[in-house]
Amino acid sequence: GAGVSQTPSNKVTEKGKYVELRCDPISGHTALYWYRQSLGQGPEFLIYFQGTGAADDSGLPNDRFFAVRPEGSVSTLKIQRTERGDSAVYLCASSRGGGGLADTQYFGPGTRLTVL
Amino acid sequence: GENVEQHPSTLSVQEGDSAVIKCTYSDSASNYFPWYKQELGKRPQLIIDIRSNVGEKKDQRIAVTLNKTAKHFSLHITETQPEDSAVYFCAAKGSNYQLIWGAGTKLIIKP
Repeated sequence: GAGVSQTPSNKVTEKGKYVELRCDPISGHTALYWYRQSLGQGPEFLIYFQGTGAADDSGLPNDRFFAVRPEGSVSTLKIQRTERGDSAVYLCASSRGGGGLADTQYFGPGTRLTVL
Repeated sequence: GENVEQHPSTLSVQEGDSAVIKCTYSDSASNYFPWYKQELGKRPQLIIDIRSNVGEKKDQRIAVTLNKTAKHFSLHITETQPEDSAVYFCAAKGSNYQLIWGAGTKLIIKP
C-alpha cells in the first residue's frame, strides 16, 4: 500500500506554544519510530513503539516531548512549551515489527518544525 | 551504548569514478547495518543493508563490506552518476534494536 505519511509537512509556531505532529505508518507495520534530524546531521532516535506501547522512549530529550499510538497505527508526537532549539525535521519510520534483525525501517517525508 | 562514526563528511568524485564511504561502530553486539540515501529535502531511503553473518553484499553498482573483527563497514559505489549525488548515512542496529546513525557523507559527483 501507500508509504509512511506525515502531517503537516511544515509547521511554524511561536516559542512556548504546543504542537502535534502526526504519522501514518505503512498498513500492517507494528513498529513505529520517531526521529529528529537537524541540518547536516543524521537522524536522532526519539521513541519506538511496538503496537500501542512505547517500547523505548529513551531518546525523548525531556518531559516536554510525548508520543502516543493509541490504536497501534497512527502516532502523534506532542511537544509542549516549544523552544527554538526544537526546530528540526521530525521523521517517522515504520517497520514490519519486532524490532528484530533486518527489520527495515521505511521513512515518511518528515515534518519541518520551525519555532520562532 | 552504540556509537557510529562515518567518514568522510564530504566526498567529491568525478563522474564514472568510484566512491567509498566508511563507518565504524562500537557495540560488538550490533548485527544489522543499513545504508540510507537522502536527497535534499527528502526522506532517507534504504539503498542496501548487510547482516552480521555476511561479509559482503552487492546490488548492481552498490556494494557493502563488513569487517566484524575491526567493527567497520563500507559503502562502495562504482561508475558514479550525477543522480548518485546525495547525503549517505550508515547506521548500526545494536543489542537494544535502536538504529544508531552516522553523521552522514555528502557525495558530490562532478560532471
